[in-house]
Formats: sequence, C-alpha cells, structure tokens
Amino acid sequence: AQSVTQLGSHVSVSEGALVLLRCNYSSSVPPYLFWYVQYPNQGLQLLLKYTTGATLVKGINGFEAEFKKSETSFHLTKPSAHMSDAAEYFCAVSDRTNTGNQFYFGTGTSLTVIP
Amino acid sequence: EAGVAQSPRYKIIEKRQSVAFWCNPISGHATLYWYQQILGQGPKLLIQFQNNGVVDDSQLPKDRFSAERLKGVDSTLKIQPAKLEDSAVYLCASSLIVTVLYEQYFGPGTRLTVT
Repeated sequence: AQSVTQLGSHVSVSEGALVLLRCNYSSSVPPYLFWYVQYPNQGLQLLLKYTTGATLVKGINGFEAEFKKSETSFHLTKPSAHMSDAAEYFCAVSDRTNTGNQFYFGTGTSLTVIP
Repeated sequence: EAGVAQSPRYKIIEKRQSVAFWCNPISGHATLYWYQQILGQGPKLLIQFQNNGVVDDSQLPKDRFSAERLKGVDSTLKIQPAKLEDSAVYLCASSLIVTVLYEQYFGPGTRLTVT
C-alpha cells in the first residue's frame, strides 16, 4: 500500500513569510498526489492535485506544489503567508492503478501564522 | 450548490453503547465515502459506495461497524457497540464518479467521544 510522510506536525511562520510544507511518498511508481486543507470544525478542501503533465501545480489561495520524482516529494509552498492560511494541511496519494479512488492521507501539518 | 451535510456534529456516548451518523452527499454524486480521523492522524477510509453498492470496505471493522446507502443517496454509519478507541471525527465525502481524478467533497464531520 501507498504511504505518505509529512515532515513537521507543526509549522509556524510570520505573516508575509514563505510557507513550506513537506510531503514525501513511498512508491516506485509515481502516484497521484493531492494537498487538502482543513479549517477548524470544517471538512477537508482540495487545494491542488498532480496527476500528469506539468510538475509545478498551482492551486487555490496562492498555493502551489512541485512534483519531484527523483526526491519522491510533493512539497506545498506559498510565497507570502496570510493569517487566513492558519489551518491543518494534509498530503494524500492515490495509486495510479487504483480505480476505487482510495486516498492515503499523511498525518497532517498544522500551520500557525504569527502576526 | 449545497455541500455534503452530516449530522449530528457532536456526539458523546459511553462505551458499549450504539451510535449512528447520517450523511447527505452533494446532489448527483454517485460515490460516497466514510472516513475515520483519529486525533493527530490523517483520515482513513472506512467504506466507499458507488450508488448503493459497496466498492471498498476492506478497512471497516465489520464486527462493530456497519454502513448502508439505501436508494443511492443518503448514508448512515453505525457503531455497535462502541469502544474507547472509536473516539474520532467521522467524515463523509462524495464525488461525481469513482475515479481518483474526480475531487472528493468533504462534509464538516461528526466528532464522536466515547467515555
């Protein structure tokens, strides 16, 4: 089965600073890759996904992620953090051979934005 | 467009009691998922429906958990009897069809506390 590792369960950045949330997957065959955000007391919302094509993927709210096959990584970045970005972020993967749309989620990274 | 609805939002029960959660997916979404999210972990798929049929229930503890999706719309997830380790947020999600390329839309979840 697929697995995904998110380094750093808690990340704090100052408002206006770069946001970098790390995600690595374990698979010899690159899977489909996703980032979800979860605001307090809300469900998960898709930020962006990589399935094929361009390795730099742009998502909502100014976030982007780059698929690096050689590093088995899919790190999430945002050039300038806003207070509204404070939330829990989950990286998820799904096998390319899987037709059941099953996701394997990481343990999440809690982002705090300091004014 | 209305989102995925779940009820109740919060539930506290004693161990060995029974509990049921309800989910109403986005209109027209054929696929419905139930996830368990334990504190500090990412969501874990419990069961996946395509219309009113089960696609994947390999991680559902069938000795105590059951789920149904009558008429291919609403779904209920039941736990009987509950254990302390069932304390978690139960998320419902839906998507148009069952492929990984289609976004899953998540409800706000039901937070279950078993005492």
